Amino acid sequence: GEDVEQSLFLSVREGDSSVINCTYTDSSSTYLYWYKQEPGAGLQLLTYIFSNMDMKQDQRLTVLLNKKDKHLSLRIADTQTGDSAIYFCAESHGSNYQLIWGAGTKLIIKP
Amino acid sequence: GAVVSQHPSWVICKSGTSVKIECRSLDFQATTMFWYRQFPKQSLMLMATSNEGSKATYEQGVEKDKFLINHASLTLSTLTVTSAHPEDSSFYICSARVAGSDQPQHFGDGTRLSIL
Repeated sequence: GEDVEQSLFLSVREGDSSVINCTYTDSSSTYLYWYKQEPGAGLQLLTYIFSNMDMKQDQRLTVLLNKKDKHLSLRIADTQTGDSAIYFCAESHGSNYQLIWGAGTKLIIKP
Repeated sequence: GAVVSQHPSWVICKSGTSVKIECRSLDFQATTMFWYRQFPKQSLMLMATSNEGSKATYEQGVEKDKFLINHASLTLSTLTVTSAHPEDSSFYICSARVAGSDQPQHFGDGTRLSIL
């Protein structure tokens, strides 16, 4: 079945760029998403990209999509302590646009 | 825009009671709402998909008589955990979206349910 994979942890120094990677299996996905979850909170939509796009940039966030390799990445420039959270990658699936979720990558910021 | 409000944010109750969680889309009409359950340090597990005016579609392994979902209007869906037991303790999150392939899901802040 459909699957989305992400590494569980990423540690970066404050001020550096963070790159969170994700791979997926469903080539028919129309949209791919990045959500952020802070402890004890719901999910915040960060950005999403249509499957026929290669890149999308929004302020400090850059999403890169390699459809051939089914690889999605989220780059956070100038990482700050407030970026500490779990980042979920998800792909849309089905007529109700249900989301297939990755396990989430915990971003740890070192001072 | 696209704000989803979920209440209550935290509830503690005795085993055997029923608990209702509300999910409201405040500034948009949600044709579809989703209910998720999240265990500690894990990803989201979809419980059911609810279209306004229709019966909810439950995922495999989710008891529809245990988790009652009502989506009576375009701005409100409710999840009732009936006869709750300690194993039902979890973090429940709802999301909502409008129709259209390019519309993302917007999430509530979640409800922490603790059954004693």
